[in-house]
Amino acid sequence: GEDVEQSLFLSVREGDSSVINCTYTDSSSTYLYWYKQEPGAGLQLLTYIFSNMDMKQDQRLTVLLNKKDKHLSLRIADTQTGDSAIYFCAESKGVLNTDKLIFGTGTRLQVFP
Amino acid sequence: NAGVTQTPKFQVLKTGQSMTLQCAQDMNHEYMSWYRQDPGMGLRLIHYSVGAGITDQGEVPNGYNVSRSTTEDFPLRLLSAAPSQTSVYFCASRMGGRGTGELFFGEGSRLTVL
Repeated sequence: GEDVEQSLFLSVREGDSSVINCTYTDSSSTYLYWYKQEPGAGLQLLTYIFSNMDMKQDQRLTVLLNKKDKHLSLRIADTQTGDSAIYFCAESKGVLNTDKLIFGTGTRLQVFP
Repeated sequence: NAGVTQTPKFQVLKTGQSMTLQCAQDMNHEYMSWYRQDPGMGLRLIHYSVGAGITDQGEVPNGYNVSRSTTEDFPLRLLSAAPSQTSVYFCASRMGGRGTGELFFGEGSRLTVL
């Protein structure tokens, strides 16, 4: 979607940290999401953050939210080859603030040994 | 539990033909939606429905038609296929009302229009 922007590619070495960035446009979004898409499959929710939070950590995943700059990032610690996929950020929009999810362009993460 | 099921997985059409992509979910989700995925453009919302009998347009609705006669099914109709509609189509559903808004996706339908 045009409202949510991401860089298209990221390449990292196995064991390093990966940081995927996203900028969004709607400051009223209640939730922001990270979805993962493996080859030939649909998207699966990886993690999400509520708009009143600055940070959320879930095992190897850390989400940072800067509402002032409308910037969202996903950090994957100790990146593994199984993390190779396309990662999409998404913002919620709509009457209930969850009626529509607007997705970014996706970042293709490639992990090399 | 099958989740979200899309058929067909692959389809080739000629320009001007019509067809329907089927989507069914067995999770009793009120909300269903269709996205298309194109290289470099991410996922774009085509149409969505917040419950049976209710549909609304997304970002790119032109050339597509939807209906929601039951909670389970949300078919997407291409009225007169064009090469610009070559894409991978995803159906997704979620619970209604307030909540985290997590979407559950089907595996996709790859459509080629010649």
